[in-house]
Amino acid sequence: DQQVKQNSPSLSVQEGRISILNCDYTNSMFDYFLWYKKYPAEGPTFLISISSIKDKNEDGRFTVFLNKSAKHLSLHIVPSQPGDSAVYFCAARGTSGNTPLVFGKGTRLSVIA
Amino acid sequence: KAGVTQTPRYLIKTRGQQVTLSCSPISGHRSVSWYQQTPGQGLQFLFEYFSETQRNKGNFPGRFSGRQFSNSRSEMNVSTLELGDSALYLCASSTGLFTLGGYTFGSGTRLTVV
Repeated sequence: DQQVKQNSPSLSVQEGRISILNCDYTNSMFDYFLWYKKYPAEGPTFLISISSIKDKNEDGRFTVFLNKSAKHLSLHIVPSQPGDSAVYFCAARGTSGNTPLVFGKGTRLSVIA
Repeated sequence: KAGVTQTPRYLIKTRGQQVTLSCSPISGHRSVSWYQQTPGQGLQFLFEYFSETQRNKGNFPGRFSGRQFSNSRSEMNVSTLELGDSALYLCASSTGLFTLGGYTFGSGTRLTVV
């Protein structure tokens, strides 16, 4: 049972435009959410996170939005750059209780110059 | 500051053999987690260790096992290898069981079972 779902395996965006990556979760115990970026032959790198007490968190070109009622979060990258081309993983965990970090299957973002 | 080190980087094993993978966390990190990445399946959680104790275990068969040593280094073992065990095995470390900012991952061990 996939508790964290990234329904778009891939996404192509023109350089300079906005990239929007989506993620849905089913476990209502999840209250902390993270995005990781992964290049080939490297481990995932932490990008940005958000706690369930917030609905938005920004860090430079990256913004994560959380809609708790819809159990949905999204990562916005503005403006998109060719170096952003990578696989993006959404992850979630519950902070009360002993739950591991659960990942989605990833979305491959291609930023075209 | 050294990152998370996984050895070996690449490994080829024959079906039926067993394999041990190693992970050295960032100095001062006491929590180590293991994930399996296969094409189309994303990162599947294997185990999480903290202070030499397994705190969480994913939905994998008993052929997959792990341990953590007093210096926080961790190993995972897969016995009776199957072709489907071919994957990238990733180790991640953090200061504790729950850390804002998540985990720091190593570059992984690419296991190929033939």
